[in-house]
Amino acid sequence: AQSVTQPDIHITVSEGASLELRCNYSYGATPYLFWYVQSPGQGLQLLLKYFSGDTLVQGIKGFEAEFKRSQSSFNLRKPSVHWSDAAEYFCAVGNTGGFKTIFGAGTRLFVKA
Amino acid sequence: DAMVIQNPRYQVTQFGKPVTLSCSQTLNHNVMYWYQQKSSQAPKLLFHYYDKDFNNEADTPDNFQSRRPNTSFCFLDIRSPGLGDAAMYLCATSPRSGTGGRNIQYFGAGTRLSVL
Repeated sequence: AQSVTQPDIHITVSEGASLELRCNYSYGATPYLFWYVQSPGQGLQLLLKYFSGDTLVQGIKGFEAEFKRSQSSFNLRKPSVHWSDAAEYFCAVGNTGGFKTIFGAGTRLFVKA
Repeated sequence: DAMVIQNPRYQVTQFGKPVTLSCSQTLNHNVMYWYQQKSSQAPKLLFHYYDKDFNNEADTPDNFQSRRPNTSFCFLDIRSPGLGDAAMYLCATSPRSGTGGRNIQYFGAGTRLSVL
């Protein structure tokens, strides 16, 4: 069965520091992978996606993610974090059997001044 | 701007009193979803519509129903809310081209439901 694991429940980084959020997936074939961000009291917004091709994908707000098939990972990175990046981040995999998306439990990012 | 709109943003209801949450979209997407999200948890899919075809998740309680009268609107009905149904309810849409797992979802801002 497909599943997504985000090992870190929460992470705290200093403003201006680099960020990496971890995501591991379990899936038998080529996965379709997503990162969504949720600001407090808001819905989810797509940051980036990976369907095929270049394994390093660029997203909005200066985020990027790298697909590593050998590690079943799709980690999210940002070189310099801004206070406005404080939010909850969800990694997800698309269910090829239909229109469903399987979300990880999320990682809450705190940014300190 | 094309978007997904949920009304109301905050809803307070009484234990056992039916409540309806609404979602509208201007994206003309074929698929509409309802999720329940409790604090610090991942969104949990309740059901989705592909056009008029209703797809219920196996573990969605019978207390939750949905209607989609047309492409633009979708409603979530909670027939007898319990204290455990207090949560954020998220509506999302996805285009037909999202079949096979490439389903990018566009979310509304959510309705936070409180049950007294």
